[in-house]
Amino acid sequence: DGGITQSPKYLFRKEGQNVTLSCEQNLNHDAMYWYRQDPGQGLRLIYYSQIVNDFQKGDIAEGYSVSREKKESFPLTVTSAQKNPTAFYLCASSINPGSYGYTFGSGTRLTVV
Amino acid sequence: RKEVEQDPGPFNVPEGATVAFNCTYSNSASQSFFWYRQDCRKEPKLLMSVYSSGNEDGRFTAQLNRASQYISLLIRDSKLSDSATYLCVVTNYGGATNKLIFGTGTLLAVQP
Repeated sequence: DGGITQSPKYLFRKEGQNVTLSCEQNLNHDAMYWYRQDPGQGLRLIYYSQIVNDFQKGDIAEGYSVSREKKESFPLTVTSAQKNPTAFYLCASSINPGSYGYTFGSGTRLTVV
Repeated sequence: RKEVEQDPGPFNVPEGATVAFNCTYSNSASQSFFWYRQDCRKEPKLLMSVYSSGNEDGRFTAQLNRASQYISLLIRDSKLSDSATYLCVVTNYGGATNKLIFGTGTLLAVQP
């Protein structure tokens, strides 16, 4: 079945560590997105990519980095520069957001310990 | 002003009730509109698109008023399983890109 897979489901980070969240899709979608969701808040866009080897900053890119070396994969690294990384991270993909919206992965819940 | 605004609720309704959610958006150039449903600690899932003429999917009816920049979702005969957060979503086109802009959601709790 086609879909979008995020791993791990839960992740614990120590202060000062970089961690990488995985996002893989087999939907043949060109566009991929990373969002962050905090309790009681809406989804905030971190980074997005319209095509392989190209990506743009979203509204809250500071402290995060991404790569898009393959169409299927869009990993997100949460660096030590991100001061408040505890949140629910959602990866999404789309073939045409205006017509079909996004398909989301099941998310990664990151906690700083 | 937020790009997409929703009443956060919660809306507490009995089973079988009819409930309506509203949403306003600030960008008059917004072109596509959706309602998503998000269960607690889960990812959002597309509930339905919203078309200019209004559209219905079973117990759910979505309407769009472009002049007032207003979207609505009506749920008839509420079920316990309808309890969730409902996200209003618009698409803004900016140059070569297009992204979905999400509201913060309206929480619905259907009571037995």
